[in-house]
Amino acid sequence: KQEVTQIPAALSVPEGENLVLNCSFTDSAIYNLQWFRQDPGKGLTSLLLIQSSQREQTSGRLNASLDKSSGRSTLYIAASQPGDSATYLCAVNDYKLSFGAGTTVTVRA
Amino acid sequence: DVKVTQSSRYLVKRTGEKVFLECVQDMDHENMFWYRQDPGLGLRLIYFSYDVKMKEKGDIPEGYSVSREKKERFSLILESASTNQTSMYLCASSSRTGGEETQYFGPGTRLLVL
Repeated sequence: KQEVTQIPAALSVPEGENLVLNCSFTDSAIYNLQWFRQDPGKGLTSLLLIQSSQREQTSGRLNASLDKSSGRSTLYIAASQPGDSATYLCAVNDYKLSFGAGTTVTVRA
Repeated sequence: DVKVTQSSRYLVKRTGEKVFLECVQDMDHENMFWYRQDPGLGLRLIYFSYDVKMKEKGDIPEGYSVSREKKERFSLILESASTNQTSMYLCASSSRTGGEETQYFGPGTRLLVL
């Protein structure tokens, strides 16, 4: 059974600092890995999807890397802003999505 | 713009009631999913469907059933609600393409069972 872990569970940084969020998974036989953002009381918004054959994906200030052999992915958010405050979820697709518990980020103005 | 809608944002029900949660997507997606989200546990898959009238159990199907009579609609049913089913319920859909299956999520239904 796929186990997905996100560390840290919570993170607080001053505005402008770069954010590094970590995700690890136990079974490397995956189709892809996805990062989502969730605002309080809301649904999930897809940020980036990395196929198993890819090493990284970029969208604006966001960059996600994937090391399938070691079972790790990292989401980098450059020059953080208060609007980046949210919970970030990592999900691994190995036929179905398995989610981590998330990292809750607070960016202080 | 893609859209997944859920029938209610908040619901309060009593123990033993039958509860219906409805989800509709307008993207002609083949795949639809029901998750529940609890603090510290993340999202857990309850049921999913890859086609009309087709359903498969996820990780935590006990106490739930589903119905998919039309492609755009996927219903989650709690036959006899219990307090441990108090949770946030999220519906999602995705297209059946080759490997890239971004899931689109609805806004969620927060269910309280008293």
